[in-house]
Amino acid sequence: AQSVTQLDSHVSVSEGTPVLLRCNYSSSYSPSLFWYVQHPNKGLQLLLKYTSAATLVKGINGFEAEFKKSETSFHLTKPSAHMSDAAEYFCVVSEGVGFNKFYFGSGTKLNVKP
Amino acid sequence: KAGVTQTPRYLIKTRGQQVTLSCSPISGHRSVSWYQQTPGQGLQFLFEYFSETQRNKGNFPGRFSGRQFSNSRSEMNVSTLELGDSALYLCASKTSGETDTQYFGPGTRLTVL
Repeated sequence: AQSVTQLDSHVSVSEGTPVLLRCNYSSSYSPSLFWYVQHPNKGLQLLLKYTSAATLVKGINGFEAEFKKSETSFHLTKPSAHMSDAAEYFCVVSEGVGFNKFYFGSGTKLNVKP
Repeated sequence: KAGVTQTPRYLIKTRGQQVTLSCSPISGHRSVSWYQQTPGQGLQFLFEYFSETQRNKGNFPGRFSGRQFSNSRSEMNVSTLELGDSALYLCASKTSGETDTQYFGPGTRLTVL
């Protein structure tokens, strides 16, 4: 089975500074990887996904992630944080039939200070 | 297109009762998955249905069951409710392609007293 480790449960940054949310995964074969965001009292929204195409994946709202097979990492970054980025972020790996069995990381809560 | 809808949004039950949650996927989506979200365990995969068949299953006891209808709508049932079943239950749908995006509904908040 696959597993996902989000290395930080909380990250705090100042508005306008870079964001780095770290994710490591374990997989016996080429995985599909995703980042989802959950704002308070709102549903999960897909930020970006990696599906064995380009290793640098661009997502919505200026986020991007780089798939590094040698490091089994899929870290999420953004050059400049905005107050609206404050939310909980989940790294996800999929397996199973149709790659429809999702394993979620424990989540990283991002706090953005003014 | 309308998004994934879940009903009811909030539910309060007592221990020992059973509950049925409903999920309507995005039109054209044939895969429906269910997840449980709790503060202690995070987001955990329950099961996935595709064309009325359970295709993937997580590690939950048999008290948790589901089904999918011919119109792709899905229901999840939890029998003999326990306090620990209090959670946000999320439903997600996608098309049949492996690399397609999974879209999540707003969830049903179940409280077991």
